[in-house]
Amino acid sequence: DTGVSQNPRHKITKRGQNVTFRCDPISEHNRLYWYRQTLGQGPEFLTYFQNEAQLEKSRLLSDRFSAERPKGSFSTLEIQRTEQGDSAMYLCASSPNGQGKSYSPLHFGNGTRLTVT
Amino acid sequence: GDSVTQMEGPVTLSEEAFLTINCTYTATGYPSLFWYVQYPGEGLQLLLKATKADDKGSNKGFEATYRKETTSFHLEKGSVQVSDSAVYFCALSGPPKKSSGDKLTFGTGTRLAVRP
Repeated sequence: DTGVSQNPRHKITKRGQNVTFRCDPISEHNRLYWYRQTLGQGPEFLTYFQNEAQLEKSRLLSDRFSAERPKGSFSTLEIQRTEQGDSAMYLCASSPNGQGKSYSPLHFGNGTRLTVT
Repeated sequence: GDSVTQMEGPVTLSEEAFLTINCTYTATGYPSLFWYVQYPGEGLQLLLKATKADDKGSNKGFEATYRKETTSFHLEKGSVQVSDSAVYFCALSGPPKKSSGDKLTFGTGTRLAVRP
């Protein structure tokens, strides 16, 4: 178990530029989640994938945001035309397929910190 | 919708002091409840969980009891250590659904600082 890996760890970009983050989940986990965490706040849900299917998107995910998981393994989160308000920590988590009604714990990566100047 | 409210920090304690961090929730149905911890420079880690009313989750000396009547899940530890300094997040998850998996709703976090 190598854990959830996120790259890059830090990204500084100028307003208006596009950025892309990558998440590599734990290999046997078919569920993948993206969260955003701003300073002094808890993580806020952005989107959820089961395998390659994006099954839920938060209203926080504006049309400038897009996430993909093309082969059901790694995922990317792209932000187009970045704004200063996009500055945050972007967290990825994965979990195995649940067995019936039991909960499967989420395993989080260390996050990508985005700063938009 | 679902929400979690936890006490604001920072909480500053001396080593060996008793810790309580309050957490209350609003949810439909019967959620599962969690405490996650974030140590400096590290990712979120699951600390403990409880999946039904009156369950007690425990780990590393921390405990929390799922109280349905008061919709609470307060975190306690009898004797804190400097190494417990971190940010603690209370969270809930509704019944697992195909459309959202095991999605978590988090509180705002409580920073704990323990002095030697």
